Parts: sequence; structure tokens; C-alpha cells
Amino acid sequence: GIQVEQSPPDLILQEGANSTLRCNFSDSVNNLQWFHQNPWGQLINLFYIPSGTKQNGRLSATTVATERYSLLYISSSQTTDSGVYFCAERDNYGQNFVFGPGTRLSVLP
Amino acid sequence: EAQVTQNPRYLITVTGKKLTVTCSQNMNHEYMSWYRQDPGLGLRQIYYSMNVEVTDKGDVPEGYKVSRKEKRNFPLILESPSPNQTSLYFCASSSQDSIGEPQHFGDGTRLSIL
Repeated sequence: GIQVEQSPPDLILQEGANSTLRCNFSDSVNNLQWFHQNPWGQLINLFYIPSGTKQNGRLSATTVATERYSLLYISSSQTTDSGVYFCAERDNYGQNFVFGPGTRLSVLP
Repeated sequence: EAQVTQNPRYLITVTGKKLTVTCSQNMNHEYMSWYRQDPGLGLRQIYYSMNVEVTDKGDVPEGYKVSRKEKRNFPLILESPSPNQTSLYFCASSSQDSIGEPQHFGDGTRLSIL
């Protein structure tokens, strides 16, 4: 099945800094999603982005499907951005979703 | 309000005592699934359902059962729970068997099996 890698595994930022999170896939991308898990454990869908670029406030995402990667940009980070960011893709050999291991982001005041 | 509701949110129980975690969605979604989240292993899919009466195994189905008798409900059943099933569980749903649609997650159920 598809393999999903994320980098970096951990990231510590000062409030106001920008950051880029990356997701790499071993197979074709057609259902890519980004999620944020907040410190209370809730999973929030950020983007459905199988290709192209989308923006939502201070967050934006770009997927280059031909090169099998996606980037999540966080600008002017805030402490509320802390948590774990996951990307996920649907396995092309089935209907199940595969998540990456996540990037743990800590934004310091 | 569109949502996925899981119950209970927390449960401590003992080995071998059957339990059911309920999941309900009010968005008329066809696709529903269950995940477990463990430290160092991330989120792994247990079972999913493309529609009523259609269920399939995910990556880690051993020790779990599911049913999909109604479109809105997708309960997760642990017939004989064991300590290695202690985990954080999430239910999710999306429309059109998830193609082109993001998944919506419940708030999670933290299970501790002693």
C-alpha cells in the first residue's frame, strides 16, 4: 500500500514565525487531506487538496501530484496553532485511508 | 450542526468484558470509518464502510467488529477487549465514499482496558 512520510517530525517556533510542513507519498496522489490535531485531541480537517494550491486565512497548502508531495504553510504562527499536523491519502489499492506519522508543532509565546 | 458523535468519550474497563463504542453522523454520509491512534504509530484505520450493509477491513481489524445497519450509525464492537486495545479511537465520515470530500472526525474515545 501507499507509504506516507512527513517532515519535520517536530518543530518549535516563536509566535509570529512562518513554517512549512511537508508530506511525501510513495504512490499517486488523488485524495490528499491535511488535518490538525489540537492539544485536546480533536482532529480538524484543514484542506482537501489533491492538486494545486488553497488558502484559508494564515494557512495555505500546495500539492504537486506529479511529484507526489504536498506542503502546508503556516504564516504568522500563533500559540493556538500548536498540535500535530497530519496528512492522509487514500490507498489506491483499496478504500482505506493512510495517515502520515505527523509533525508536532509547538508555538511559543 | 453537522457533526460526528462518538460515545462514550472515556471508558475504563477490564479484559474480556464486551463493549461497544457508538458513532453517529447527521450529514447523510455514505462513507464511515474507524481509526485508532497510538503513540509512535499514528492513526491507523480499523474498518470502513462504503454504505449500508457494506463493511471492509482496514489496516488493523483484528479484535474488532463493526456493523452498518443504518446509514447514520457505525458502531465499533470489541467482543473480548484486551490491554493491547487500549488506545484513542476516532470515527469519521464523508460523502460519496470519500472521493472528492474531506473526512469529518468525531471528538475521539479514549479506551483503557485493564
